[in-house]
Amino acid sequence: EAGVAQSPRYKIIEKRQSVAFWCNPISGHATLYWYQQILGQGPKLLIQFQNNGVVDDSQLPKDRFSAERLKGVDSTLKIQPAKLEDSAVYLCASSSVTSGTDTQYFGPGTRLTVL
Amino acid sequence: AQKITQTQPGMFVQEKEAVTLDCTYDTSDPSYGLFWYKQPSSGEMIFLIYQGSYDQQNATEGRYSLNFQKARKSANLVISASQLGDSAMYFCAMREGGTFIFGSGTRLSVKP
Repeated sequence: EAGVAQSPRYKIIEKRQSVAFWCNPISGHATLYWYQQILGQGPKLLIQFQNNGVVDDSQLPKDRFSAERLKGVDSTLKIQPAKLEDSAVYLCASSSVTSGTDTQYFGPGTRLTVL
Repeated sequence: AQKITQTQPGMFVQEKEAVTLDCTYDTSDPSYGLFWYKQPSSGEMIFLIYQGSYDQQNATEGRYSLNFQKARKSANLVISASQLGDSAMYFCAMREGGTFIFGSGTRLSVKP
């Protein structure tokens, strides 16, 4: 079974530029999560989708971050315009309610550096 | 208030010895789940073990076990027979309602 796929793995941009990250969850997983992990900290949930609907986006800085999961499968997270403090690893995870535990399985992450 | 607290920023353990990584949590929800993840230097989060709030027995997965003390609201991870490959960051996480909260992590270093 293929795991969670993310691209790109690394991205370097200058502040005020825009950037987009892509995530493809494990096949059949209805729930998809985007996390931001700043160096030295634990992951912070940005947004959670159930199929193509948003369950929780309370910690998403909506003035500059947006995310979509139009067909209930893959998802895109966008930052526009980027700030220096957005430098972090962006992790995508997915889970299946049928597992009974909602265990999240993570992708390799995208390391973003904003100069 | 912190929902998930990991009080050990760093730990050292000798190869082949057991080590306990601490995690305390705070919730008023009777139904919740507790998870431990390993994050090696490569960056990927690897699921290790899960404990549900209604589970009567402590979870075990190979060399990993979760010491679940519900009254104390603690969910410590025990790694038996440490290996060099266990050197990594370890995160405790809680599912409360539909959302997940992670602790700040503990960096484990295994010495040969």
